[in-house]
Amino acid sequence: EVQLVESGGGLVQPGRSLKLSCVASGFTFSNYGMNWIRQAPGKGLEWVAYISSGSSYIYYAETVKGRFTISRDNAKNTLYLQMTSLRSEDTALYYCASDYPGIPFAYWGQGTLVTVSS
Amino acid sequence: DVVLTQTPSTLSATIGQSVSISCRSSQSLLDSAGNTYLYWYLQRPGQSPQLLIYLVSNLGSGVPNRFSGSGSGTDFTLKISGVEAEDLGVYYCMQATHAPNTFGAGTKLELK
Repeated sequence: EVQLVESGGGLVQPGRSLKLSCVASGFTFSNYGMNWIRQAPGKGLEWVAYISSGSSYIYYAETVKGRFTISRDNAKNTLYLQMTSLRSEDTALYYCASDYPGIPFAYWGQGTLVTVSS
Repeated sequence: DVVLTQTPSTLSATIGQSVSISCRSSQSLLDSAGNTYLYWYLQRPGQSPQLLIYLVSNLGSGVPNRFSGSGSGTDFTLKISGVEAEDLGVYYCMQATHAPNTFGAGTKLELK
Protein backbone atom coordinates (compact mmCIF):
# COMPACT_ATOMS: atom_id res chain seq x y z
CA GLU A 1 0.00 0.00 0.00
CA VAL A 2 1.31 3.41 -0.98
CA GLN A 3 1.86 5.71 2.00
CA LEU A 4 3.04 9.31 2.00
CA VAL A 5 3.53 10.95 5.39
CA GLU A 6 4.25 14.65 5.56
CA SER A 7 5.78 16.48 8.52
CA GLY A 8 7.46 19.73 9.43
CA GLY A 9 4.53 22.11 9.34
CA GLY A 10 3.79 24.64 12.05
CA LEU A 11 3.38 28.29 12.95
CA VAL A 12 6.10 30.55 11.56
CA GLN A 13 6.54 34.31 11.37
CA PRO A 14 6.52 36.14 8.03
CA GLY A 15 9.96 36.21 6.44
CA ARG A 16 11.15 33.10 8.24
CA SER A 17 11.90 29.63 6.86
CA LEU A 18 10.49 26.15 7.27
CA LYS A 19 11.37 22.74 5.81
CA LEU A 20 8.76 20.11 5.07
CA SER A 21 9.42 16.39 4.67
CA CYS A 22 7.44 13.56 3.10
CA VAL A 23 8.39 9.95 3.77
CA ALA A 24 7.22 7.46 1.17
CA SER A 25 6.60 3.73 1.49
CA GLY A 26 4.82 0.94 -0.36
CA PHE A 27 6.34 1.71 -3.76
CA THR A 28 9.73 2.23 -5.40
CA PHE A 29 10.14 5.90 -4.54
CA SER A 30 13.19 6.40 -6.77
CA ASN A 31 11.17 5.54 -9.90
CA TYR A 32 8.57 8.30 -9.68
CA GLY A 33 8.26 12.03 -9.95
CA MET A 34 7.00 13.80 -6.85
CA ASN A 35 5.07 16.99 -6.18
CA TRP A 36 4.07 19.43 -3.49
CA ILE A 37 0.52 20.75 -3.71
CA ARG A 38 -1.07 23.16 -1.27
CA GLN A 39 -4.57 24.12 -0.20
CA ALA A 40 -5.22 27.39 1.60
CA PRO A 41 -7.92 27.19 4.30
CA GLY A 42 -11.32 26.75 2.65
CA LYS A 43 -9.81 27.09 -0.84
CA GLY A 44 -8.93 24.93 -3.79
CA LEU A 45 -5.78 23.10 -4.84
CA GLU A 46 -2.59 24.75 -6.10
CA TRP A 47 0.36 22.82 -7.49
CA VAL A 48 3.59 24.16 -5.94
CA ALA A 49 6.58 22.17 -7.18
CA TYR A 50 7.68 19.04 -9.05
CA ILE A 51 10.86 16.98 -9.02
CA SER A 52 11.61 14.10 -11.37
CA SER A 53 12.67 10.68 -10.16
CA GLY A 54 16.39 11.39 -10.45
CA SER A 55 16.12 15.10 -9.61
CA SER A 56 17.09 16.10 -13.16
CA TYR A 57 13.93 18.10 -13.74
CA ILE A 58 12.55 20.57 -11.22
CA TYR A 59 9.69 23.02 -11.74
CA TYR A 60 7.98 25.59 -9.54
CA ALA A 61 4.80 27.61 -9.55
CA GLU A 62 5.47 31.28 -10.21
CA THR A 63 4.06 32.11 -6.77
CA VAL A 64 6.93 30.32 -5.01
CA LYS A 65 9.77 30.46 -7.52
CA GLY A 66 12.95 31.81 -5.92
CA ARG A 67 11.65 31.20 -2.39
CA PHE A 68 10.94 27.45 -2.25
CA THR A 69 13.30 24.56 -3.07
CA ILE A 70 12.14 21.01 -3.72
CA SER A 71 14.58 18.14 -3.25
CA ARG A 72 14.61 14.43 -2.59
CA ASP A 73 16.79 11.73 -1.06
CA ASN A 74 16.03 8.46 -2.82
CA ALA A 75 18.14 6.50 -0.34
CA LYS A 76 15.85 7.72 2.45
CA ASN A 77 12.60 7.60 0.41
CA THR A 78 12.05 11.20 1.41
CA LEU A 79 10.85 14.33 -0.39
CA TYR A 80 11.58 17.81 0.95
CA LEU A 81 10.33 21.36 0.52
CA GLN A 82 12.54 24.12 1.85
CA MET A 83 10.47 27.28 2.19
CA THR A 84 12.10 30.67 2.78
CA SER A 85 10.84 34.26 2.93
CA LEU A 86 7.45 32.95 3.95
CA ARG A 87 4.40 35.15 3.47
CA SER A 88 0.91 35.08 4.94
CA GLU A 89 -0.41 33.88 1.58
CA ASP A 90 1.73 30.73 1.95
CA THR A 91 -0.55 29.61 4.78
CA ALA A 92 -1.98 26.28 3.64
CA LEU A 93 -2.16 22.55 4.06
CA TYR A 94 0.80 21.16 2.10
CA TYR A 95 0.38 17.76 0.45
CA CYS A 96 3.03 15.65 -1.15
CA ALA A 97 1.77 13.65 -4.10
CA SER A 98 3.43 11.00 -6.22
CA ASP A 99 3.10 10.65 -9.94
CA TYR A 100 2.46 7.41 -11.79
CA PRO A 101 3.04 6.92 -15.53
CA GLY A 102 0.36 8.99 -17.23
CA ILE A 103 -1.16 10.05 -13.94
CA PRO A 104 0.02 13.17 -12.12
CA PHE A 105 -0.82 13.23 -8.40
CA ALA A 106 -1.84 9.57 -8.38
CA TYR A 107 -1.30 9.24 -4.61
CA TRP A 108 -1.54 11.87 -1.86
CA GLY A 109 -0.41 12.19 1.72
CA GLN A 110 -2.59 13.57 4.50
CA GLY A 111 -0.87 16.94 4.47
CA THR A 112 0.99 19.14 6.94
CA LEU A 113 -0.33 22.55 7.94
CA VAL A 114 1.84 25.65 7.54
CA THR A 115 0.62 28.84 9.17
CA VAL A 116 2.49 32.08 8.49
CA SER A 117 1.54 34.71 11.02
CA SER A 118 3.12 37.14 13.43
CA ASP B 1 -1.79 29.46 -17.28
CA VAL B 2 -4.76 27.35 -18.39
CA VAL B 3 -7.93 28.22 -16.54
CA LEU B 4 -10.40 25.43 -15.82
CA THR B 5 -13.95 26.56 -15.09
CA GLN B 6 -16.12 24.08 -13.24
CA THR B 7 -19.91 24.29 -13.11
CA PRO B 8 -21.88 24.20 -10.98
CA SER B 9 -19.90 25.30 -7.93
CA THR B 10 -22.36 23.47 -5.68
CA LEU B 11 -24.54 20.50 -6.54
CA SER B 12 -27.35 19.19 -4.35
CA ALA B 13 -28.44 15.63 -4.97
CA THR B 14 -30.47 12.86 -3.44
CA ILE B 15 -29.14 9.34 -3.02
CA GLY B 16 -29.59 7.48 -6.28
CA GLN B 17 -29.81 10.59 -8.42
CA SER B 18 -27.54 10.94 -11.45
CA VAL B 19 -25.51 14.14 -11.67
CA SER B 20 -22.98 15.75 -13.99
CA ILE B 21 -20.16 18.23 -13.44
CA SER B 22 -18.75 20.33 -16.26
CA CYS B 23 -15.12 21.39 -16.66
CA ARG B 24 -14.35 23.89 -19.38
CA SER B 25 -10.78 24.82 -20.32
CA SER B 26 -9.48 28.17 -21.58
CA GLN B 27 -7.35 26.28 -24.14
CA SER B 28 -7.67 22.96 -25.92
CA LEU B 29 -6.22 20.14 -23.84
CA LEU B 30 -5.39 18.03 -26.92
CA ASP B 31 -1.63 17.92 -27.39
CA SER B 32 0.31 17.50 -30.61
CA ALA B 33 0.60 13.75 -30.05
CA GLY B 34 -3.15 13.35 -29.80
CA ASN B 35 -3.28 12.96 -26.00
CA THR B 36 -5.64 14.79 -23.65
CA TYR B 37 -4.35 15.15 -20.10
CA LEU B 38 -7.53 15.80 -18.15
CA TYR B 39 -8.10 14.27 -14.71
CA TRP B 40 -10.75 14.24 -11.98
CA TYR B 41 -10.15 14.08 -8.22
CA LEU B 42 -12.50 13.79 -5.24
CA GLN B 43 -11.77 15.33 -1.85
CA ARG B 44 -14.07 13.92 0.79
CA PRO B 45 -14.65 16.04 3.92
CA GLY B 46 -11.54 16.07 6.09
CA GLN B 47 -9.58 13.89 3.66
CA SER B 48 -6.89 14.43 1.06
CA PRO B 49 -7.84 14.33 -2.64
CA GLN B 50 -7.93 11.01 -4.44
CA LEU B 51 -7.77 10.18 -8.13
CA LEU B 52 -11.06 9.26 -9.80
CA ILE B 53 -10.53 9.55 -13.55
CA TYR B 54 -7.38 9.83 -15.67
CA LEU B 55 -6.89 10.79 -19.28
CA VAL B 56 -10.51 11.99 -19.63
CA SER B 57 -12.34 8.70 -19.26
CA ASN B 58 -10.28 6.03 -17.50
CA LEU B 59 -11.33 4.93 -14.01
CA GLY B 60 -8.70 5.01 -11.30
CA SER B 61 -7.91 1.87 -9.34
CA GLY B 62 -10.82 0.88 -7.11
CA VAL B 63 -13.13 3.61 -8.42
CA PRO B 64 -16.72 2.37 -8.82
CA ASN B 65 -18.10 2.23 -12.35
CA ARG B 66 -20.94 4.60 -11.49
CA PHE B 67 -18.32 7.27 -12.22
CA SER B 68 -17.61 8.13 -15.84
CA GLY B 69 -15.70 10.83 -17.66
CA SER B 70 -16.09 12.19 -21.15
CA GLY B 71 -15.24 15.12 -23.35
CA SER B 72 -12.66 16.49 -25.71
CA GLY B 73 -10.85 19.69 -26.60
CA THR B 74 -12.06 22.25 -24.08
CA ASP B 75 -15.24 20.66 -22.68
CA PHE B 76 -15.27 17.78 -20.24
CA THR B 77 -17.85 16.12 -18.01
CA LEU B 78 -17.81 13.91 -14.95
CA LYS B 79 -21.00 11.90 -14.45
CA ILE B 80 -22.11 9.98 -11.39
CA SER B 81 -24.85 7.48 -12.25
CA GLY B 82 -26.61 7.02 -8.94
CA VAL B 83 -25.06 9.11 -6.17
CA GLU B 84 -24.15 7.28 -3.00
CA ALA B 85 -23.45 8.83 0.41
CA GLU B 86 -19.70 8.18 0.09
CA ASP B 87 -19.61 10.36 -3.05
CA LEU B 88 -20.14 13.57 -1.12
CA GLY B 89 -17.28 16.04 -1.18
CA VAL B 90 -15.52 18.40 -3.57
CA TYR B 91 -14.69 17.34 -7.11
CA TYR B 92 -11.76 18.92 -8.95
CA CYS B 93 -10.76 18.68 -12.58
CA MET B 94 -7.07 19.10 -13.39
CA GLN B 95 -5.16 19.52 -16.64
CA ALA B 96 -1.60 18.48 -17.35
CA THR B 97 -1.38 19.25 -21.07
CA HIS B 98 0.02 22.75 -20.57
CA ALA B 99 2.57 23.56 -17.86
CA PRO B 100 1.94 24.33 -15.09
CA ASN B 101 -0.68 21.77 -14.11
CA THR B 102 -3.80 23.62 -13.00
CA PHE B 103 -6.96 22.69 -11.12
CA GLY B 104 -10.51 23.87 -11.44
CA ALA B 105 -12.02 25.67 -8.45
CA GLY B 106 -14.01 22.62 -7.43
CA THR B 107 -17.63 21.47 -7.33
CA LYS B 108 -19.11 20.63 -3.95
CA LEU B 109 -21.55 17.72 -4.02
CA GLU B 110 -23.92 17.77 -1.08
CA LEU B 111 -27.09 15.95 -0.04
CA LYS B 112 -30.37 17.62 -0.82
